[in-house]
Amino acid sequence: DGGITQSPKYLFRKEGQNVTLSCEQNLNHDAMYWYRQDPGQGLRLIYYSQIVNDFQKGDIAEGYSVSREKKESFPLTVTSAQKNPTAFYLCASLRDITSNQPQHFGDGTRLSIL
Amino acid sequence: AQSVAQPEDQVNVAEGNPLTVKCTYSVSGNPYLFWYVQYPNRGLQFLLKYITGDNLVKGSYGFEAEFNKSQTSFHLKKPSALVSDSALYFCAVRGASGSARQLTFGSGTQLTVLP
Repeated sequence: DGGITQSPKYLFRKEGQNVTLSCEQNLNHDAMYWYRQDPGQGLRLIYYSQIVNDFQKGDIAEGYSVSREKKESFPLTVTSAQKNPTAFYLCASLRDITSNQPQHFGDGTRLSIL
Repeated sequence: AQSVAQPEDQVNVAEGNPLTVKCTYSVSGNPYLFWYVQYPNRGLQFLLKYITGDNLVKGSYGFEAEFNKSQTSFHLKKPSALVSDSALYFCAVRGASGSARQLTFGSGTQLTVLP
């Protein structure tokens, strides 16, 4: 079955620590996205990637970093510079950035502060 | 800048009654509109989309939505609600080109269907 796998499902971060959230897709999609979801605020775009070895900042990129070394993988690192990292993080993919099709979503990673 | 408004944080409806979840949008040019549903601790599931064509769009699980260009609205509807429809619903819009192609989401509406 094609889809998006996010891991881990739950993650805890200590003060001053960087943590990395995994996102893998086997849909052969070019475009991938990271969103942050906070209660009552909908989804906000952190970073997106149109193609391998390329990525762009979204609306709330500060304190986050990404890489896109392989088509199927788009990991997100939450750095110690992100002072309020507690949120639900969702990864999504799309055939390509011009597609009119809906984005496919993973089941998310919930990040909390210890 | 494009935006989406979901004016109701919470909608309650009795099982078997019709339901409506409201959405209005703002975007340059022709809009591409989407509805997604989210169950607790899960990702978003696609329900339906409007790109062009008929203003009434039919989607998954008996849901439909009506595109109204003059009112810039895309309300989600279902003729007869089920308890299992209880979930968080998101409306999203994107434009046709450039940075407008990024999806912009509303803040979500929590739908509760009462037995």
